[in-house]
Amino acid sequence: SYELTQPPSVSVSPGQTASITCSGDNLGDKYACWYQQKPGQSPLLVIYHGRKRPSGIPERFSGSNSGNTATLTISGTQAMDEADYYCQAWDSSTVIFGGGTKLTVL
Amino acid sequence: QVQLVQSGAEVKKPGASVKVSCKASGDTFTSFDINWVRQATGQGLEWMGWMNPDSGNTGYSQKFQGRVTMTRNTSISTAYMELSSLRSDDTAVYFCARARAGTLPYYFDYWGQGTLVTVSS
Repeated sequence: SYELTQPPSVSVSPGQTASITCSGDNLGDKYACWYQQKPGQSPLLVIYHGRKRPSGIPERFSGSNSGNTATLTISGTQAMDEADYYCQAWDSSTVIFGGGTKLTVL
Repeated sequence: QVQLVQSGAEVKKPGASVKVSCKASGDTFTSFDINWVRQATGQGLEWMGWMNPDSGNTGYSQKFQGRVTMTRNTSISTAYMELSSLRSDDTAVYFCARARAGTLPYYFDYWGQGTLVTVSS
Protein backbone atom coordinates (compact mmCIF):
# COMPACT_ATOMS: atom_id res chain seq x y z
CA SER A 1 0.00 0.00 0.00
CA TYR A 2 1.07 3.58 -0.63
CA GLU A 3 2.85 5.39 2.19
CA LEU A 4 3.82 8.98 2.92
CA THR A 5 6.77 9.63 5.20
CA GLN A 6 7.30 12.81 7.22
CA PRO A 7 9.89 13.67 9.85
CA PRO A 8 8.32 13.47 13.32
CA SER A 9 9.57 16.89 14.33
CA VAL A 10 11.10 20.07 12.97
CA SER A 11 12.36 23.03 14.98
CA VAL A 12 12.79 26.59 13.79
CA SER A 13 13.63 29.94 15.32
CA PRO A 14 11.12 32.78 14.97
CA GLY A 15 11.60 34.67 11.72
CA GLN A 16 13.51 31.82 10.08
CA THR A 17 12.39 29.45 7.35
CA ALA A 18 10.92 26.05 8.19
CA SER A 19 10.81 23.23 5.68
CA ILE A 20 8.76 20.07 6.20
CA THR A 21 9.15 17.21 3.76
CA CYS A 22 6.80 14.43 2.71
CA SER A 23 8.12 11.46 0.74
CA GLY A 24 6.32 8.85 -1.34
CA ASP A 25 6.72 7.01 -4.62
CA ASN A 26 6.15 9.41 -7.52
CA LEU A 27 4.57 11.89 -5.11
CA GLY A 28 5.37 14.67 -7.55
CA ASP A 29 2.67 13.25 -9.84
CA LYS A 30 0.04 13.22 -7.09
CA TYR A 31 -0.11 16.90 -6.10
CA ALA A 32 0.11 16.54 -2.35
CA CYS A 33 -1.69 18.90 -0.05
CA TRP A 34 -0.89 20.05 3.47
CA TYR A 35 -2.92 20.59 6.63
CA GLN A 36 -2.08 22.48 9.79
CA GLN A 37 -3.56 21.24 13.05
CA LYS A 38 -3.29 23.04 16.36
CA PRO A 39 -4.16 21.31 19.65
CA GLY A 40 -7.87 20.76 20.09
CA GLN A 41 -8.70 22.05 16.60
CA SER A 42 -9.72 20.51 13.29
CA PRO A 43 -7.13 20.35 10.53
CA LEU A 44 -6.86 23.42 8.29
CA LEU A 45 -5.92 23.19 4.61
CA VAL A 46 -2.85 25.37 3.98
CA ILE A 47 -1.61 24.10 0.59
CA TYR A 48 -3.41 22.16 -2.16
CA HIS A 49 -2.51 21.01 -5.62
CA GLY A 50 1.10 20.94 -4.56
CA ARG A 51 1.62 24.69 -4.33
CA LYS A 52 -1.70 26.58 -4.20
CA ARG A 53 -2.82 28.50 -1.12
CA PRO A 54 -6.50 28.65 -0.10
CA SER A 55 -7.99 32.04 0.52
CA GLY A 56 -6.95 33.40 3.90
CA ILE A 57 -3.71 31.43 4.21
CA PRO A 58 -0.73 33.76 4.66
CA GLU A 59 1.76 34.12 1.82
CA ARG A 60 4.54 32.82 4.06
CA PHE A 61 3.16 29.30 3.44
CA SER A 62 4.30 27.75 0.17
CA GLY A 63 4.52 24.29 -1.32
CA SER A 64 6.64 22.52 -3.86
CA ASN A 65 6.52 19.10 -5.46
CA SER A 66 9.29 17.24 -7.24
CA GLY A 67 10.06 13.60 -7.85
CA ASN A 68 9.26 11.66 -4.72
CA THR A 69 9.11 14.63 -2.34
CA ALA A 70 6.66 17.36 -1.48
CA THR A 71 7.85 20.21 0.70
CA LEU A 72 5.94 22.69 2.82
CA THR A 73 7.93 25.86 3.43
CA ILE A 74 7.06 28.49 5.98
CA SER A 75 9.03 31.70 5.49
CA GLY A 76 9.43 34.10 8.38
CA THR A 77 7.96 31.56 10.78
CA GLN A 78 5.86 32.98 13.58
CA ALA A 79 5.01 31.58 16.99
CA MET A 80 1.44 31.06 15.81
CA ASP A 81 2.71 28.58 13.19
CA GLU A 82 3.64 26.08 15.89
CA ALA A 83 1.41 23.10 15.13
CA ASP A 84 1.28 19.62 13.64
CA TYR A 85 1.46 19.46 9.86
CA TYR A 86 0.16 16.59 7.74
CA CYS A 87 0.67 15.88 4.06
CA GLN A 88 -2.01 14.03 2.14
CA ALA A 89 -2.30 12.45 -1.30
CA TRP A 90 -4.67 10.26 -3.28
CA ASP A 91 -3.61 6.89 -4.63
CA SER A 92 -5.65 4.00 -6.02
CA SER A 93 -8.97 5.46 -4.84
CA THR A 94 -7.59 5.86 -1.34
CA VAL A 95 -6.68 8.92 0.72
CA ILE A 96 -3.32 8.66 2.41
CA PHE A 97 -2.00 10.88 5.18
CA GLY A 98 1.58 11.23 6.26
CA GLY A 99 2.33 10.53 9.89
CA GLY A 100 2.54 14.22 10.75
CA THR A 101 5.33 16.60 11.71
CA LYS A 102 5.34 18.62 14.91
CA LEU A 103 6.72 22.08 14.16
CA THR A 104 8.25 23.77 17.18
CA VAL A 105 9.05 27.47 17.05
CA LEU A 106 11.68 28.30 19.65
CA GLN B 1 -20.14 30.50 4.77
CA VAL B 2 -19.52 26.78 4.49
CA GLN B 3 -19.99 24.84 7.72
CA LEU B 4 -19.90 21.20 8.66
CA VAL B 5 -21.48 20.69 12.08
CA GLN B 6 -21.14 17.31 13.74
CA SER B 7 -23.15 15.60 16.44
CA GLY B 8 -22.00 15.48 20.04
CA ALA B 9 -19.71 13.19 21.96
CA GLU B 10 -20.64 9.56 22.43
CA VAL B 11 -19.73 6.89 24.97
CA LYS B 12 -20.24 3.31 23.85
CA LYS B 13 -19.54 -0.15 25.20
CA PRO B 14 -17.35 -2.62 23.33
CA GLY B 15 -19.30 -4.42 20.66
CA ALA B 16 -21.83 -1.64 20.21
CA SER B 17 -22.28 0.67 17.22
CA VAL B 18 -22.04 4.44 16.94
CA LYS B 19 -23.58 6.76 14.37
CA VAL B 20 -22.11 10.24 13.92
CA SER B 21 -23.80 12.94 11.85
CA CYS B 22 -22.37 15.81 9.83
CA LYS B 23 -24.72 18.60 8.73
CA ALA B 24 -23.52 20.75 5.82
CA SER B 25 -24.55 24.30 5.08
CA GLY B 26 -23.42 27.22 2.96
CA ASP B 27 -22.95 25.31 -0.31
CA THR B 28 -24.58 22.69 -2.51
CA PHE B 29 -24.56 19.50 -0.44
CA THR B 30 -24.53 17.17 -3.44
CA SER B 31 -21.50 18.78 -5.12
CA PHE B 32 -19.00 17.53 -2.57
CA ASP B 33 -17.98 14.14 -1.28
CA ILE B 34 -18.11 13.77 2.49
CA ASN B 35 -15.15 11.93 3.93
CA TRP B 36 -14.55 10.66 7.44
CA VAL B 37 -11.19 10.88 9.16
CA ARG B 38 -10.41 9.84 12.70
CA GLN B 39 -7.67 10.71 15.15
CA ALA B 40 -6.83 8.88 18.34
CA THR B 41 -5.41 10.95 21.17
CA GLY B 42 -1.86 12.00 20.36
CA GLN B 43 -1.92 10.17 17.04
CA GLY B 44 -2.12 11.12 13.38
CA LEU B 45 -4.99 11.39 10.95
CA GLU B 46 -6.55 8.18 9.64
CA TRP B 47 -8.85 8.18 6.61
CA MET B 48 -11.92 5.97 6.84
CA GLY B 49 -13.75 6.51 3.56
CA TRP B 50 -15.87 8.76 1.36
CA MET B 51 -19.48 9.11 0.31
CA ASN B 52 -20.96 11.01 -2.59
CA PRO B 53 -24.20 12.61 -1.38
CA ASP B 54 -25.60 12.86 -4.90
CA SER B 55 -25.32 9.21 -5.87
CA GLY B 56 -24.91 7.62 -2.46
CA ASN B 57 -21.80 5.85 -3.76
CA THR B 58 -19.17 5.06 -1.16
CA GLY B 59 -15.56 4.00 -0.91
CA TYR B 60 -14.09 2.65 2.29
CA SER B 61 -10.59 2.13 3.57
CA GLN B 62 -9.75 -1.55 3.56
CA LYS B 63 -9.14 -1.31 7.31
CA PHE B 64 -12.77 -0.44 8.00
CA GLN B 65 -14.47 -2.43 5.23
CA GLY B 66 -17.31 -4.44 6.73
CA ARG B 67 -17.50 -2.32 9.89
CA VAL B 68 -18.27 1.16 8.54
CA THR B 69 -21.33 2.43 6.70
CA MET B 70 -21.65 5.94 5.28
CA THR B 71 -25.07 7.26 4.35
CA ARG B 72 -26.86 10.56 3.82
CA ASN B 73 -30.16 12.36 3.99
CA THR B 74 -30.11 14.93 1.21
CA SER B 75 -33.34 16.59 2.40
CA ILE B 76 -31.50 17.86 5.48
CA SER B 77 -27.98 18.05 3.97
CA THR B 78 -26.65 15.59 6.51
CA ALA B 79 -24.15 12.78 6.17
CA TYR B 80 -23.76 9.90 8.60
CA MET B 81 -20.99 7.52 9.54
CA GLU B 82 -21.83 4.37 11.44
CA LEU B 83 -19.09 2.19 12.91
CA SER B 84 -20.02 -1.20 14.33
CA SER B 85 -18.39 -3.81 16.57
CA LEU B 86 -16.63 -1.08 18.50
CA ARG B 87 -13.38 -1.83 20.30
CA SER B 88 -11.40 0.22 22.78
CA ASP B 89 -8.96 1.22 20.04
CA ASP B 90 -11.81 2.89 18.16
CA THR B 91 -11.72 5.61 20.83
CA ALA B 92 -10.90 8.72 18.83
CA VAL B 93 -12.13 12.03 17.52
CA TYR B 94 -14.03 11.51 14.27
CA PHE B 95 -14.04 14.31 11.70
CA CYS B 96 -16.10 14.77 8.60
CA ALA B 97 -14.45 16.69 5.77
CA ARG B 98 -15.58 17.63 2.29
CA ALA B 99 -13.81 17.26 -1.04
CA ARG B 100 -15.02 18.35 -4.46
CA ALA B 101 -16.59 15.31 -6.06
CA GLY B 102 -15.07 13.70 -9.11
CA THR B 103 -11.93 15.79 -9.32
CA LEU B 104 -8.26 15.20 -8.66
CA PRO B 105 -6.20 16.08 -6.76
CA TYR B 106 -8.45 15.20 -3.86
CA TYR B 107 -8.21 17.43 -0.80
CA PHE B 108 -10.36 18.57 2.09
CA ASP B 109 -11.18 22.26 2.14
CA TYR B 110 -13.63 22.23 5.05
CA TRP B 111 -13.75 20.09 8.15
CA GLY B 112 -16.28 19.49 10.89
CA GLN B 113 -15.42 20.29 14.49
CA GLY B 114 -14.92 16.64 15.39
CA THR B 115 -16.88 14.18 17.51
CA LEU B 116 -15.25 12.31 20.38
CA VAL B 117 -16.25 8.67 20.51
CA THR B 118 -15.17 6.85 23.64
CA VAL B 119 -15.40 3.07 23.79
CA SER B 120 -15.25 1.79 27.33
CA SER B 121 -16.81 -0.95 29.38
